[in-house]
Amino acid sequence: IQMTQSPSSLSASVGDRVTITCQASQDIGKYLSWYQQKPGKAPKLLIYDGSKLATGVPETFSGRGSGTDFTFTISSLQPEDIATYYCKQYDSLYTFGQGTKLEMK
Amino acid sequence: EMQLVESGGGLVQPGGSLRLSCVASGFSVRNSWMHWVRQLPGKGPVWVARLITDGTTADYADSVKGRFTISRDSARNTVFLQMNSLRAEDTAVYYCVRENIVDFPGNFDLWGRGTMVTASS
Repeated sequence: IQMTQSPSSLSASVGDRVTITCQASQDIGKYLSWYQQKPGKAPKLLIYDGSKLATGVPETFSGRGSGTDFTFTISSLQPEDIATYYCKQYDSLYTFGQGTKLEMK
Repeated sequence: EMQLVESGGGLVQPGGSLRLSCVASGFSVRNSWMHWVRQLPGKGPVWVARLITDGTTADYADSVKGRFTISRDSARNTVFLQMNSLRAEDTAVYYCVRENIVDFPGNFDLWGRGTMVTASS
């Protein structure tokens, strides 16, 4: 299964609403998660099953979608949200998207 | 505190072998699905291998099948990745990762800091 993420990079300002999309090459049901990775650190799980928040993740992060099309949204961008974000399917083994690098404008 | 600490990375010539180790603390690898995930700087993570709770059932990415072997030593609470016939394209940071099969099946909730593997002459 191939995962196509867009955009590959994004520049936004504090307080902006940010949306990233991820498309699967075949139907993966709800089995899509989102990870955040900061420089020099390992990825961190934010959202699983398409829309459920992982433990301790603030509600400014959200996800939606099913089948082949998914979106990830930050409702109000904060400086600490600057990172690269990856989607990952786990319907059939595991495949990550190529990432979206989020930068501050 | 739950933690994963990898070791064993380094520089190896193409065709050579390395064995990565991952020591877990704060939980038992016997009760977890354990994985290795690799990543090149600036690129997305790539899943490499997993070992499920029975300790013998393993799955591999096509790119490493037949060359890499994942295993564990439950007494030492340690997971291994034996890497043989290394290629230049195996160069990456290798992360040891736990899949939380109870709370978030299919998802990786604990990662190590990674160990760098470089296959180059």
